[in-house]
Amino acid sequence: GAGVSQSPRYKVAKRGQDVALRCDPISGHVSLFWYQQALGQGPEFLTYFQNEAQLDKSGLPSDRFFAERPEGSVSTLKIQRTQQEDSAVYLCASSEDRNTEAFFGQGTRLTVV
Amino acid sequence: AQRVTQPEKLLSVFKGAPVELKCNYSYSGSPELFWYVQYSRQRLQLLLRHISRESIKGFTADLNKGETSFHLKKPFAQEEDSAMYYCALVEYGNKLVFGAGTILRVKS
Repeated sequence: GAGVSQSPRYKVAKRGQDVALRCDPISGHVSLFWYQQALGQGPEFLTYFQNEAQLDKSGLPSDRFFAERPEGSVSTLKIQRTQQEDSAVYLCASSEDRNTEAFFGQGTRLTVV
Repeated sequence: AQRVTQPEKLLSVFKGAPVELKCNYSYSGSPELFWYVQYSRQRLQLLLRHISRESIKGFTADLNKGETSFHLKKPFAQEEDSAMYYCALVEYGNKLVFGAGTILRVKS
């Protein structure tokens, strides 16, 4: 079946604009993760959901970042009042449960101008 | 804090030559380590994990707790191995901590 799907693939936002990034995990996957990957760096953890519960949001860099997964399936990462340092690729990953392989989406490349 | 260090940004080898991608980690407990690979225009995917002790696409990696290393090795590089490779460990809660990555270029 289909893998993890993220949309949009590319997003250009003006500084100060709000953005919403969508992740469709593999059907039935309980665990969902968001990572941020700056240019030339490895992915860095942002937040983790188990079903609809956000169990860890320790990686969110500021209160401008907010993630939700209201029905335990699709997740949205929202960034308010975007700033240039938010420019990065945002990766979503899902897994059957917390101890199994995580499958990654293609990512959303956010550029803040 | 847990850290993963990949000292080389770029490793360039000729086809048929041996490959070793270095990875060192710092972790206070018993680590679970992985290698992920990203081929051109493809998504990040798991290559191998140390607990499975498998050889995938000819690659192997051995966990050396004394040296806190988890180097990725392949005896004979192929052109299709050209990609970005990330070493990662699992922290509590199943979140991954990644290194900065190493680009492997296999020249013909």
